[in-house]
Order: sequence, then structure tokens, then C-alpha cells
Amino acid sequence: GNSVTQMEGPVTLSEEAFLTINCTYTATGYPSLFWYVQYPGEGLQLLLKATKADDKGSNKGFEATYRKETTSFHLEKGSVQVSDSAVYFCALSDHSGGGADGLTFGKGTHLIIQP
Amino acid sequence: DAGITQSPRHKVTETGTPVTLRCHQTENHRYMYWYRQDPGHGLRLIHYSYGVKDTDKGEVSDGYSVSRSKTEDFLLTLESATSSQTSVYFCAITGDRNTGELFFGEGSRLTVL
Repeated sequence: GNSVTQMEGPVTLSEEAFLTINCTYTATGYPSLFWYVQYPGEGLQLLLKATKADDKGSNKGFEATYRKETTSFHLEKGSVQVSDSAVYFCALSDHSGGGADGLTFGKGTHLIIQP
Repeated sequence: DAGITQSPRHKVTETGTPVTLRCHQTENHRYMYWYRQDPGHGLRLIHYSYGVKDTDKGEVSDGYSVSRSKTEDFLLTLESATSSQTSVYFCAITGDRNTGELFFGEGSRLTVL
């Protein structure tokens, strides 16, 4: 079956530090890949996505590249801010159910940015 | 704003009581989902629906039932709540069926004492 593995936190960084959150996946076929962000007390928001190999998703200074050869979708940001403190989820959709089967999520990475 | 509302947002109940969570959407989407979020487990799919009266089980469906009598409403029922069902429950709708992207509601926090 499908699975997503991501580093579990908490990950604590200082403001303006470089961020990498690793994500690897196992899936049949050619999945779409996503990063979602959850701020305290809120639901999940889509941060970025990529739908085919070598695609780069980007949003709010965050980037992730779909690497089929390493089955990875690592999240990066060059200079983090305190406001980036949140839980980040990597997820995939394998389309085998015609889009009906929902997303498979990693366990989430809690990111804490200190001033 | 994807037009999803969940109710209640917070509920405390006792073991053995029935509980129903409601998800309401204004987007006329065909697909709707219920997930639960627990520390160390991420989000896990409970049930989903692909149309009125059409539902299917997800990864963690034991102890839960769902109903969808109208396109806009998807109900999750715990027939007899247990402490292991203490969780945050999220409803979602499909934002883009081509990619599988989902839009999420704000969550319902359920505590079973």
C-alpha cells in the first residue's frame, strides 16, 4: 500500500535559518505530492504541490521538488520566520481510485522557530 | 475559503454515549472525507463518500459509521464512544480531482471521558 515517511519533530530552528524537512514515499503508479501546513488550532492548508516527476512546487518561500528516482519530496525554505512555526504534513494521492480515495499522510513534523 | 463547516467544534462526552459530527459544504462537491488526527499518527482516513448514499471505508473505520443523504452534508457517527476515539476530526472535500488535492474544515475536537 501507499505510505509517506517524514522526519518527526519537534524541529527547532533560529529565525533566518535554512529549513529542510525530509519526506519519502511509497506508492503505485505516479502519485501527486503535497505539503500541507497546520497552524495552532486550525485545519490543514495546502502549502504547495507537484503532480509529476521533476515538478517544483513553491509558495510563501517554501519549495519542494518531486524526485521520482529517490521517491522524495523534501520541503525547503531559505530563511525561516517565527510565523512559520506550525506542523507540516507531507501527503500523496495515487489516483488509483479515480481521485476518490483521499490522501495518504505522513505523521507530521512540528516546526518551532525561535526569535 | 472552501466553504466547509464542521459542528460541533468541541465536544466532551462520556464512554458509551452516541456522538454525531456534521460536515457541511457549500461547494456542491461530490467527494467528501472524514479523517482523524492523533499525535504520532498524522491524519488517517475513517470513511469517505463519492456521492449521495455512496460511502466506503477508510483505514480506521471500526467503531464509526457515516451517512450522506444530501450532497452538502456528511455525518460521522460514533455509535458508542470509547476513550480511544478521543481525537480531532477533520472533514475534507476534493479541491481538484485531477490531482487529489483536498480542502479541509477547521476540525472538531472530541474528548471521550
